[in-house]
Amino acid sequence: NAGVTQTPKFRVLKTGQSMTLLCAQDMNHEYMYWYRQDPGMGLRLIHYSVGEGTTAKGEVPDGYNVSRLKKQNFLLGLESAAPSQTSVYFCASSWETGGRNTEAFFGQGTRLTVV
Amino acid sequence: GNSVTQMEGPVTLSEEAFLTINCTYTATGYPSLFWYVQYPGEGLQLLLKATKADDKGSNKGFEATYRKETTSFHLEKGSVQVSDSAVYFCALKWAGNNRKLIWGLGTSLAVNP
Repeated sequence: NAGVTQTPKFRVLKTGQSMTLLCAQDMNHEYMYWYRQDPGMGLRLIHYSVGEGTTAKGEVPDGYNVSRLKKQNFLLGLESAAPSQTSVYFCASSWETGGRNTEAFFGQGTRLTVV
Repeated sequence: GNSVTQMEGPVTLSEEAFLTINCTYTATGYPSLFWYVQYPGEGLQLLLKATKADDKGSNKGFEATYRKETTSFHLEKGSVQVSDSAVYFCALKWAGNNRKLIWGLGTSLAVNP
């Protein structure tokens, strides 16, 4: 039972480089989320998706793009990485058909360093 | 707007001590409340939840009661273990806001043997 899988787990980028983080879930969840976690700032929502083919901005979307071409995958892209994007990135998914009581399932995280 | 406030950490306890981590919330309507735990180097996982007033969520010896009158959802454990060392996040969700979770900033707990 894989749950939510993120790749890669670690990455070092140079300023200005681009990369894509992949999130895959095998629970048939409609909703998927990308968060970043920074010391003292908790979890901040970057982008989210409420279904295949949909995306929406969260609290801190600038500098990131996302795509949800398939229900099970949610990609986070950095077009031109900046040191301020050094963070730990978490993907999560949830089943929302049942209403407001359902939990989110998280991946193991991607530690990204931009130098 | 809706928000979650947690007590600041870090919290340091000795093994077998009593734990309380305070969480209060501001919300319209009737939110569901959650506690998540993040062990070192891992993602978050659900610890417990409560979906209506006076509900008590419990798991692994942890408990929290949904108190609507005080808008609180404090996490408690009677006797902590070294393995409970982690970061604990309080969160809420309600029917609006596209059902996105609203998070507290997290409270770091260190338990010493």
